[in-house]
Amino acid sequence: GAVVSQHPSRVICKSGTSVKIECRSLDFQATTMFWYRQFPKQSLMLMATSNEGSKATYEQGVEKDKFLINHASLTLSTLTVTSAHPEDSSFYICSARGPGLNGEYFGPGTRLTVT
Amino acid sequence: KQEVTQIPAALSVPEGENLVLNCSFTDSAIYNLQWFRQDPGKGLTSLLLIQSSQREQTSGRLNASLDKSSGRSTLYIAASQPGDSATYLCAVGSTGNQFYFGTGTSLTVIP
Repeated sequence: GAVVSQHPSRVICKSGTSVKIECRSLDFQATTMFWYRQFPKQSLMLMATSNEGSKATYEQGVEKDKFLINHASLTLSTLTVTSAHPEDSSFYICSARGPGLNGEYFGPGTRLTVT
Repeated sequence: KQEVTQIPAALSVPEGENLVLNCSFTDSAIYNLQWFRQDPGKGLTSLLLIQSSQREQTSGRLNASLDKSSGRSTLYIAASQPGDSATYLCAVGSTGNQFYFGTGTSLTVIP
């Protein structure tokens, strides 16, 4: 139980385009979802927290107009990287929490490469 | 702000050896602590979750301990195997509903 999926697992896009990453909770209702980013050889850094039906809360230094987060349902959150640049190339991981569950459940991650 | 440190940053051991990974955190007001495994290019796999009221959790060859007062957790791996080679991340859950991650320990188990 408590499985989180992400799609796509890998994506390559050209500089200036936008790319959408989906995070789904497959067998539970995710009242809260988190988006993390990981640069090579660095730890995961929280980008934003989203509660279903509410606007996401972004961490300091994360541009909310560049990283659009939508959590419109209890099983789906999306992260859209707008006008992507090569420095946005990173590993993006989502996680979810739900009522009655202990801990946080992580998706498998999405590797974004911007050329 | 919570700061999480993992020592050592890298560790290489021969197969069969028992080993301990360390995690320390600065704010003892935690909600829980999780140990994860991350294989190269992959997402996180949760290994053990310890609630703030618990002192340890065990799963197979893994044992994680938590000492909130001293701000420390350890992950003990018994009889290490080459398949255990990965990066191990410690994450501290704060009462503010947020996880803080350490930078990880890269483990290599030599056959």
